[in-house]
Amino acid sequence: NAGVTQTPKFQVLKTGQSMTLQCAQDMNHNSMYWYRQDPGMGLRLIYYSASEGTTDKGEVPNGYNVSRLNKREFSLRLESAAPSQTSVYFCASNEVSSGNTIYFGEGSWLTVV
Amino acid sequence: GQQLNQSPQSMFIQEGEDVSMNCTSSSIFNTWLWYKQDPGEGPVLLIALYKAGELTSNGRLTAQFGITRKDSFLNISASIPSDVGIYFCAGRSPPSGSARQLTFGSGTQLTVLP
Repeated sequence: NAGVTQTPKFQVLKTGQSMTLQCAQDMNHNSMYWYRQDPGMGLRLIYYSASEGTTDKGEVPNGYNVSRLNKREFSLRLESAAPSQTSVYFCASNEVSSGNTIYFGEGSWLTVV
Repeated sequence: GQQLNQSPQSMFIQEGEDVSMNCTSSSIFNTWLWYKQDPGEGPVLLIALYKAGELTSNGRLTAQFGITRKDSFLNISASIPSDVGIYFCAGRSPPSGSARQLTFGSGTQLTVLP
């Protein structure tokens, strides 16, 4: 069972470069999320998609864009990376009707130099 | 936004000891969740709490939903090396299944010494 799969696992970018983090889930979930995790800050929601075709801003959306390509895939794009975006990024998904079990990917470690 | 204070930030304990960590909020929550994150992995749900005063166990783990609905604690009894990781609390309001309304604590890093 793959669950939530995100790529790449590690990436180093130069300031100003762009990149896309890919996420796919095989659980037929309607809702998908992107979080960032910084030391001492917990998980903060960047963007979410309640269903295919919809996306909404979370707590910290500035500097990011997302695409809900289809029901399975939800990508996060950094158009012009900044050192402040150095973080660990987690994709997650759940089925709202089934309650609280939110499934997280393994994380993507991004360093912007 | 809503604030969650989780303490302690880190703990070093001997194998076999009991552990306690807690979260307090500036707002009332309708759901409290506790997650564990192993090194290099994403968080995994341990316990979910839905009612004030609720006490729920999952093996050696016990969590309680505070009466005021502004706090929760997690206890781990007889710790073992595989308990190592970061433990997060999360609170949700209003009562829905969407992660959009989740607020996460900053985590408690647990180290278990042999």
